[in-house]
Amino acid sequence: KAGVTQTPRYLIKTRGQQVTLSCSPISGHRSVSWYQQTPGQGLQFLFEYFSETQRNKGNFPGRFSGRQFSNSRSEMNVSTLELGDSALYLCASSLEQAVRTDTQYFGPGTRLTVL
Amino acid sequence: AQKVTQAQTEISVVEKEDVTLDCVYETRDTTYYLFWYKQPPSGELVFLIRRNSFDEQNEISGRYSWNFQKSTSSFNFTITASQVVDSAVYFCALSDAIDKPGRRALTFGSGTRLQVQP
Repeated sequence: KAGVTQTPRYLIKTRGQQVTLSCSPISGHRSVSWYQQTPGQGLQFLFEYFSETQRNKGNFPGRFSGRQFSNSRSEMNVSTLELGDSALYLCASSLEQAVRTDTQYFGPGTRLTVL
Repeated sequence: AQKVTQAQTEISVVEKEDVTLDCVYETRDTTYYLFWYKQPPSGELVFLIRRNSFDEQNEISGRYSWNFQKSTSSFNFTITASQVVDSAVYFCALSDAIDKPGRRALTFGSGTRLQVQP
C-alpha cells in the first residue's frame, strides 16, 4: 500500500501571500490530521478531518484552515503568511474504525519557508 | 491537560552500545494511548509502537524494546546494540481514547535526538 503523500515537498513564499498544501491519505483511511513542526514549538496539532468534516482543531489562528474531499484527500490553507509560519507541515492519516484509537501514519511533510 | 516530557534533548552513543530514551506523560484520563515515532533526517515520522493504558506488558521487537509503567507514568524505549542507522529524532506521543470527541490529537514530547557514532 502506498503511504501518505504530500505535495509539494518544498515551498517558498513571501509574507502576506497565501499557500495551499495537499495530502493524500493511505488508501482506505478516512481521517486526516495536520501538524506543524517548528524548532521552537515542536510538533503541534492543527486540525483533523473525517468524512469531510473538521472534528478537532488545535490552538491556531483562523488564518489556518483546511478541508477534506469525498475521496479523503485533504488540503490545508494558510492565508496572510507570516515569518513564523515557516515550518514543516505534516499530514497523518488513520483508519478510524468506530471503537478504538487508530495509529496515525505520517507523510514526508511539506517544508514551507516564508521570506 | 495532557503533557509529554522527554527530558533528554540529545544522546550520543557509539555503535553497539545500548541506549534508553525516556518518556514521562501526564493525563487525567484512565484510557489513553502512547506512541513512539522516529524522525530521520528526511523528515517523515515513522511509527514504531502503540500501547494502550490497559496493557502494561513490555514489548520487544528485534533490537527495540519498550517498558511501560503506569505507576511512574513512563513509557521508555530501549535500543539494544545501536547502529548508525538508528540516528534520528525520536518522539513519544500521547492520545486520549477515541470515544471522547475531539480527543484524537496526538500530544508530542519535544523529542530526543540520538546520534550513533561508528
